[in-house]
Amino acid sequence: GEDVEQSLFLSVREGDSSVINCTYTDSSSTYLYWYKQEPGAGLQLLTYIFSNMDMKQDQRLTVLLNKKDKHLSLRIADTQTGDSAIYFCAETTTSGTYKYIFGTGTRLKVLA
Amino acid sequence: EAQVTQNPRYLITVTGKKLTVTCSQNMNHEYMSWYRQDPGLGLRQIYYSMNVEVTDKGDVPEGYKVSRKEKRNFPLILESPSPNQTSLYFCASTSPGSGANVLTFGAGSRLTVL
Repeated sequence: GEDVEQSLFLSVREGDSSVINCTYTDSSSTYLYWYKQEPGAGLQLLTYIFSNMDMKQDQRLTVLLNKKDKHLSLRIADTQTGDSAIYFCAETTTSGTYKYIFGTGTRLKVLA
Repeated sequence: EAQVTQNPRYLITVTGKKLTVTCSQNMNHEYMSWYRQDPGLGLRQIYYSMNVEVTDKGDVPEGYKVSRKEKRNFPLILESPSPNQTSLYFCASTSPGSGANVLTFGAGSRLTVL
């Protein structure tokens, strides 16, 4: 079945770049997303990429998609303490039933 | 303000006492969904609804019921809660086919079943 996998934890120093990785199994994915969850809050969309794109850049965020390896990454440049949160990778697939599939989430801790 | 509203935000209850978590959205979204979030397991879908009177099971539907009588509301019902339903619950909505199908999430409802 469909699956989305992420590592659980990442720790970086303030000012460094963070790279959060995700692998997925469904080749019929249409969109892939990164959602951010701050403590005590719901998830908010950070960015997304359409499945026919390889890269998307949005200010400090760079999303890379390798469709051959089914690998998605999120790079945060100049990481700040305010970036500390849980980051969820997700995909939607329209094969059969419309469905969102989320990864386990990666907890990013930024050290001052 | 466009939003998804869940209530209650926090609830402590006892095994077997029926409860309902409400979810309401003001964006005229067709699609609504319930998730539970548990440490190390990410978000798992409980139930979803493609439109009024159309609901379907997600990955972990056991012990839960839903209804979709109106477009804006999608309550989650626990008929006889058990301790393994202690979790953080999120409701979310979107309009399928409207561009990137971005989900809007509620703030979450933390449920403890003793």
